[in-house]
Amino acid sequence: GAVVSQHPSRVICKSGTSVKIECRSLDFQATTMFWYRQFPKQSLMLMATSNEGSKATYEQGVEKDKFLINHASLTLSTLTVTSAHPEDSSFYICSASDRSSPLKNIQYFGAGTRLSVL
Amino acid sequence: QQPVQSPQAVILREGEDAVINCSSSKALYSVHWYRQKHGEAPVFLMILLKGGEQKGHEKISASFNEKKQQSSLYLTASQLSYSGTYFCGTETDSWGKLQFGAGTQVVVTP
Repeated sequence: GAVVSQHPSRVICKSGTSVKIECRSLDFQATTMFWYRQFPKQSLMLMATSNEGSKATYEQGVEKDKFLINHASLTLSTLTVTSAHPEDSSFYICSASDRSSPLKNIQYFGAGTRLSVL
Repeated sequence: QQPVQSPQAVILREGEDAVINCSSSKALYSVHWYRQKHGEAPVFLMILLKGGEQKGHEKISASFNEKKQQSSLYLTASQLSYSGTYFCGTETDSWGKLQFGAGTQVVVTP
């Protein structure tokens, strides 16, 4: 149980284009989803938190117009990197938790998306 | 604020033990431990809520000293499958937001 699916696993795009990453909870209701960015051999840096049906809350220093997050249903959240540039190249990982369950604090992670911007 | 993890890396032979530490400058609501293998998603190992619990997962256990705002992960009789990077994630309230440490790379050799 508690499977989170993230697509695509890898994307290469040209500078200036937008890229959408999907994060789905397959067997539970993801009332809250988190988006992280991870640089090589570094920790996971929280970018934003989204609750189903609400606007995302962004961490300090994260441009909300650059990283658009939508969490329209209990099983799907999307991260759109708009007008991507080479410095946006990174590993993006989503996680999901069910805040209505007794295990509400546990985050289940997707497999991540490696974004390379040329 | 990010918790501090130590050591940065550890190399073990199969069957040996290791301890990974995680400390925070803030009062903690809970500590989470994850293991990530190269190119994969972090996998949840265990969560420790304030109250000084000790939990286990296979031969991996952890403790949480809320007074010292520290947690330790114990790898006992390590197996090759224990190789990976271990992250602690800390919560300062019950809203679910985690701050992750820098990670500890564990390499278990035959």
